[in-house]
Amino acid sequence: DTEVTQTPKHLVMGMTNKKSLKCEQHMGHRAMYWYKQKAKKPPELMFVYSYEKLSINESVPSRFSPECPNSSLLNLHLHALQPEDSALYLCASSQDPYAGTGGEETQYFGPGTRLLVL
Amino acid sequence: GIQVEQSPPDLILQEGANSTLRCNFSDSVNNLQWFHQNPWGQLINLFYIPSGTKQNGRLSATTVATERYSLLYISSSQTTDSGVYFCAVPRLYGGATNKLIFGTGTLLAVQP
Repeated sequence: DTEVTQTPKHLVMGMTNKKSLKCEQHMGHRAMYWYKQKAKKPPELMFVYSYEKLSINESVPSRFSPECPNSSLLNLHLHALQPEDSALYLCASSQDPYAGTGGEETQYFGPGTRLLVL
Repeated sequence: GIQVEQSPPDLILQEGANSTLRCNFSDSVNNLQWFHQNPWGQLINLFYIPSGTKQNGRLSATTVATERYSLLYISSSQTTDSGVYFCAVPRLYGGATNKLIFGTGTLLAVQP
């Protein structure tokens, strides 16, 4: 099973709201990722958790706050977002966070959450 | 950093036609993934192909690592093949963690 699940599928929020995105995988993967994707653009990396520790933060504004409660779960807490934060938010996981040739670093993506900030 | 360029940027096909999508990368890589992003946004793994050729049904992919390119072949295209195709390569970030660098994408529309 190579499934990554994300909830909710769609989210509309105001600029003063607090909401959270949730991602889950049960493949025993030790790396989990958050990406942001704007229309007609490739996904952009936001955060990487490696063995439940934050290992990459791509200079993301503090209104986005990631959390990895355990090896299967990844959350993205949203607060005081701006309309330009409207996008598709994708979660991914991989068996091993390190680049190599064995395939363990292959990333598997969830279906995404479409976020609209009003 | 590494540059990953895809061509063509847009492609329109009639159902049943064949096509070749190209991914060029500016530095050596030890892994390459091809993805299909369907119109609903789901990124679907097509191939993990650091070198050589792989086939999966009507799709096949070839990576020539020494010449820094990969090709994705779609034969007998179907309307369900529509969407955006991305190639992506991993890079070590900070010496310890994998970061996936996506190509610019090819938007494919298959018309009935």
